[in-house]
Amino acid sequence: NAGVTQTPKFQVLKTGQSMTLQCAQDMNHNSMYWYRQDPGMGLRLIYYSASEGTTDKGEVPNGYNVSRLNKREFSLRLESAAPSQTSVYFCASIRGTPRFNEQFFGPGTRLTVL
Amino acid sequence: LAKTTQPISMDSYEGQEVNITCSHNNIATNDYITWYQQFPSQGPRFIIQGYKTKVTNEVASLFIPADRKSSTLSLPRVSLSDTAVYYCLVGSPGGYQKVTFGTGTKLQVIP
Repeated sequence: NAGVTQTPKFQVLKTGQSMTLQCAQDMNHNSMYWYRQDPGMGLRLIYYSASEGTTDKGEVPNGYNVSRLNKREFSLRLESAAPSQTSVYFCASIRGTPRFNEQFFGPGTRLTVL
Repeated sequence: LAKTTQPISMDSYEGQEVNITCSHNNIATNDYITWYQQFPSQGPRFIIQGYKTKVTNEVASLFIPADRKSSTLSLPRVSLSDTAVYYCLVGSPGGYQKVTFGTGTKLQVIP
């Protein structure tokens, strides 16, 4: 039981390049989130997915796209990377019941855009 | 979304009890209060969640007054390994919610 996995762990891009961050969970959760965390700051929600095939914008969606093709995987794509997207990206999977909610986080992807 | 306010930082000596308070004046009736811990270079980790009064688990206690406009995370007898950032979140339960982490409280435990 690996929990939440993210690939890659580190990535350096040049301005204008594209890439996809991968996230997978093996806990059979319906909901998954993508966050970014800038140095010294809290986490900001980029996109979330309440269930397979559905996605919605969070607080800072500009410059990103997501895909939830199956229950396990939720990917984040940067179509044209910008230096402002230099950050640590965390994926989370949510265990939720009507009276409880817990987020399980992956180890993060550290992205630098030059 | 309920906005939360926490102290930016706190220092404590090893072995002391630490209380971190979070203010959430516009908490909704269905909202729960959840605390997460984050170590450097790691994702946050769930600590405790509650709705009202007191909740206790093996690592912490959560105190919520009757008006639920604030909450206090209590860490008994902290050690150096408790040095981390602690986040207070407010949101409805279930598997689908938008939440805001805020900047959290950086706890530094001093030997």
